[in-house]
Amino acid sequence: NAGVTQTPKFQVLKTGQSMTLQCAQDMNHEYMSWYRQDPGMGLRLIHYSVGAGITDQGEVPNGYNVSRSTTEDFPLRLLSAAPSQTSVYFCASSQLPGGTDTQYFGPGTRLTVL
Amino acid sequence: AQSVTQPDIHITVSEGASLELRCNYSYGATPYLFWYVQSPGQGLQLLLKYFSGDTLVQGIKGFEAEFKRSQSSFNLRKPSVHWSDAAEYFCAVAASGGSYIPTFGRGTSLIVHP
Repeated sequence: NAGVTQTPKFQVLKTGQSMTLQCAQDMNHEYMSWYRQDPGMGLRLIHYSVGAGITDQGEVPNGYNVSRSTTEDFPLRLLSAAPSQTSVYFCASSQLPGGTDTQYFGPGTRLTVL
Repeated sequence: AQSVTQPDIHITVSEGASLELRCNYSYGATPYLFWYVQSPGQGLQLLLKYFSGDTLVQGIKGFEAEFKRSQSSFNLRKPSVHWSDAAEYFCAVAASGGSYIPTFGRGTSLIVHP
């Protein structure tokens, strides 16, 4: 099992550019989440999904879109990057809701927006 | 809504010394509680979790945590710290009724001196 994989590991964007952060898991987990980690802020939930075709907003959803067409994949889209989106992004998955089960985290994507 | 506080941003201990990392939560009922560890450049890994039952929970890598309802706390402990324990530690809490979305604390950075 590869667990949770994220690509790319590092990315530099210019303000206004768009990109997609990829996340995939091979554990057949129903629940997947995207978090951002900023210094001194811990992890904040951006969007989450409770199964294929079902997504919902987390604490800081503005500027981000998600979709879940398959159980395995949960991409995060930045439509028009802003410097405030400079952060480390983590994808996580779990069989049950993340607050009732172990979440498995990917290695993260470090994004810099200039 | 639930909230979690980790009062210590940094903790410095000597190798072989005991460790206690503090976590306080705010939630009206019994919450679901977690401790995660993040090694440099890595994603988060679950150390232990508490849902119900015995208030002293054993985790991986020799860690334990104790749920104290009267103090709304879930402190993480280890009797003898190893240099490899240097990492960022996150406490998380989720409501036992509702969406089960976890809220993470801001983290405590553990520095281990030889």
